[in-house]
Amino acid sequence: KAGVTQTPRYLIKTRGQQVTLSCSPISGHRSVSWYQQTPGQGLQFLFEYFSETQRNKGNFPGRFSGRQFSNSRSEMNVSTLELGDSALYLCASSPGTSGGSLYQETQYFGPGTRLLVL
Amino acid sequence: EDQVTQSPEALRLQEGESSSLNCSYTVSGLRGLFWYRQDPGKGPEFLFTLYSAGEEKEKERLKATLTKKESFLHITAPKPEDSATYLCAVQAGGYGQNFVFGPGTRLSVLP
Repeated sequence: KAGVTQTPRYLIKTRGQQVTLSCSPISGHRSVSWYQQTPGQGLQFLFEYFSETQRNKGNFPGRFSGRQFSNSRSEMNVSTLELGDSALYLCASSPGTSGGSLYQETQYFGPGTRLLVL
Repeated sequence: EDQVTQSPEALRLQEGESSSLNCSYTVSGLRGLFWYRQDPGKGPEFLFTLYSAGEEKEKERLKATLTKKESFLHITAPKPEDSATYLCAVQAGGYGQNFVFGPGTRLSVLP
């Protein structure tokens, strides 16, 4: 089974621009989560999508947004880029469940997109 | 607020020298605790999921254990290829994926 794929792998942008990152989950997985990883803050949760709906959201400004398509592929958008947005952006997928607060699922990560904002 | 801390921040071992990494957590309604390994410039690679206090899981030279407040990742007779950053994450109560990650332990195993 193919793993989680992310495109592009590397990206260089300038301040004020916007960027769109793409993630294809493992086949059959319905939940896709996005994380930002920086040396200072570590791995921080951005948001999760399940069945084309945002199900959970972290503490990031509204410049960070995402969406999920009917085939479970997801995109993340960052508008008005700032220098501090330079980071490794990771996508993770899991099988997904429609409910059940006691249900725990493993997330499988993609290789990430390295974004550099100049 | 859900929190995860890991210690030590960095660990240097000689090949064959066993040791343990610690992950301490405070979370409302733990659904699961996860260990990942991350190599530089790559995404985290899944290692273990633990759910209940007292649970243990093993994989090659690694063994993960869980108590009500912390988890340990024991590394027995490590090899240089075990060098990586080891991340601990907790999945809190509620719906969906709301993982909280610790800062990681950077492990170096010298030949």
